[in-house]
Amino acid sequence: DVKVTQSSRYLVKRTGEKVFLECVQDMDHENMFWYRQDPGLGLRLIYFSYDVKMKEKGDIPEGYSVSREKKERFSLILESASTNQTSMYLCASSPIPGRRLFNYGYTFGSGTRLTVV
Amino acid sequence: AQSVTQLGSHVSVSEGALVLLRCNYSSSVPPYLFWYVQYPNQGLQLLLKYTTGATLVKGINGFEAEFKKSETSFHLTKPSAHMSDAAEYFCAVTPYSSASKIIFGSGTRLSIRP
Repeated sequence: DVKVTQSSRYLVKRTGEKVFLECVQDMDHENMFWYRQDPGLGLRLIYFSYDVKMKEKGDIPEGYSVSREKKERFSLILESASTNQTSMYLCASSPIPGRRLFNYGYTFGSGTRLTVV
Repeated sequence: AQSVTQLGSHVSVSEGALVLLRCNYSSSVPPYLFWYVQYPNQGLQLLLKYTTGATLVKGINGFEAEFKKSETSFHLTKPSAHMSDAAEYFCAVTPYSSASKIIFGSGTRLSIRP
């Protein structure tokens, strides 16, 4: 079964800490995404990547950075965690649709619930 | 630009009743449309999707959705609600011409009354 795996389900960090959220997919997908999910706000895109070493800002990149050194791994970095970054973080991946439209769609990980105290 | 509007942040129905979750989209090009479901403390799972072809799309767990271009809608329905359907549902759109980044609606929480 294909998977997107996020390394931690629950994480508690202190204000000012550098935080790494890891995401690994085993589907050879080109695209990977990081979202945060907050009540009443839905999913908001933080960063995405179309290829190794390539990244693009989403809608709310401030306070975050990303790294994609290998195709299967996409890391989200909180340079200096703050309490307003307490949230559920979701990683997703997708193929480039090409001709195989029926394969297209995001596969999500189970999420990491981060609490910054 | 693409956008998605889900009407109603919370919908409550009785067990056995019809489920109807509304979604309207805005897209300047033919869209791909999706419905995702999220159970508590889990990631999102694809329920169904429309890309091309038949406008009535059937998904998992008895859900279906109909793409209506004239109404720019993609409402999600299920004839008979089950307690296990309680979850949050997200409608999403991406442009056909460059299907890469998906735009999500704000979500509708579905509650099922016994």
